[in-house]
Amino acid sequence: AQKVTQAQTEISVVEKEDVTLDCVYETRDTTYYLFWYKQPPSGELVFLIRRNSFDEQNEISGRYSWNFQKSTSSFNFTITASQVVDSAVYFCALSAPSYDKVIFGPGTSLSVIP
Amino acid sequence: DTEVTQTPKHLVMGMTNKKSLKCEQHMGHRAMYWYKQKAKKPPELMFVYSYEKLSINESVPSRFSPECPNSSLLNLHLHALQPEDSALYLCASSQGDSNTYEQYFGPGTRLTVT
Repeated sequence: AQKVTQAQTEISVVEKEDVTLDCVYETRDTTYYLFWYKQPPSGELVFLIRRNSFDEQNEISGRYSWNFQKSTSSFNFTITASQVVDSAVYFCALSAPSYDKVIFGPGTSLSVIP
Repeated sequence: DTEVTQTPKHLVMGMTNKKSLKCEQHMGHRAMYWYKQKAKKPPELMFVYSYEKLSINESVPSRFSPECPNSSLLNLHLHALQPEDSALYLCASSQGDSNTYEQYFGPGTRLTVT
């Protein structure tokens, strides 16, 4: 069965702290894709990253970085030097060619306090 | 331009009304999606259009009727809704017709059924 777990329901950090959002997935497919989306209070989901199962290189984009580890079925997301604008709900998601839809995790609500 | 637009932003309707939600994208994407999102939950897929044809209907009640007039437009016609249909309705599009592509979301329509 396919599943995405985001164990942290809510996280609060003080501005400038680093924060890591955890994502653990389950799939029997060998070819699959992982995503992170950000949903600020305005409501629009914003695409952040897409990773395929054959590319385990970590990725850095400005203050954002992602750590993909197939051995632990995890795709964690770290925000360095957090800012108030990072306050949002973050969804990790999983897909594969055999699926008929994207599987979203339950989301992690991040609050960055000034 | 990675923009998906949705109108209206907010909609209040009675249970006997008929209304329509509209979505537009000009990215040349071939797949378009309707999602329903309840508070503090991930988006739930409703419909997928691929190359202007309905490819997935996630057993959505017939009071929701999708329409894809052309490759850039997606409508969702609403009729005889129930209060439990109140939610954020999100439109999305993706480059290919496989759910392994990243999706670009609109800002959503916040629907209240009274």
